Amino acid sequence: AQSVAQPEDQVNVAEGNPLTVKCTYSVSGNPYLFWYVQYPNRGLQFLLKYITGDNLVKGSYGFEAEFNKSQTSFHLKKPSALVSDSALYFCAGRMNYGGATNKLIFGTGTLLAVQP
Amino acid sequence: AAGVIQSPRHLIKEKRETATLKCYPIPRHDTVYWYQQGPGQDPQFLISFYEKMQSDKGSIPDRFSAQQFSDYHSELNMSSLELGDSALYFCASSYRLAGSGETQYFGPGTRLLVL
Repeated sequence: AQSVAQPEDQVNVAEGNPLTVKCTYSVSGNPYLFWYVQYPNRGLQFLLKYITGDNLVKGSYGFEAEFNKSQTSFHLKKPSALVSDSALYFCAGRMNYGGATNKLIFGTGTLLAVQP
Repeated sequence: AAGVIQSPRHLIKEKRETATLKCYPIPRHDTVYWYQQGPGQDPQFLISFYEKMQSDKGSIPDRFSAQQFSDYHSELNMSSLELGDSALYFCASSYRLAGSGETQYFGPGTRLLVL
């Protein structure tokens, strides 16, 4: 079965420090992987995605993620955290076979708390 | 840039009532997805439509139905509402013809509370 896992319910980091939010996947074939951010009472906002090509993907607001096929991981990173980055982060994936279903499978979310 | 529009944003219903949620995709997007996010949970896929045809079905109760109209907007109809249906319902849209790496863009969600 396809699945996406976020092993940490919460990540705490001080402002200005680098942050990492972890994600691992179990998706058939070569997956498409996404990161979304959700602020309180808001919708899911797209940050970045991996389809193919360079393993390091750059996205919005200074975020980047590294696709590691051997470790089946797609960790989200940012060199210097901001208090405004505090939010709920979801990793999502889907299969890459061009079929009728492109539904996203979400991880359980990681709450990022950046302390000033 | 235009985003996905969902209405209403908030909805309060009583048990056994019906509800209709509406979704207006980003212009020129041809695919609509519906997800349900329970309190403290990750979004769960319900159903999707591509070019007005149902393309996939997830964990959607038989009490729910949905369709996509000729103008590509979609409606999620929910009948015989139960307390457990209280959740945030997201609609997402994408442009499938853009390639297999399509990005789903989410609306702000409709928060449904069933009393």
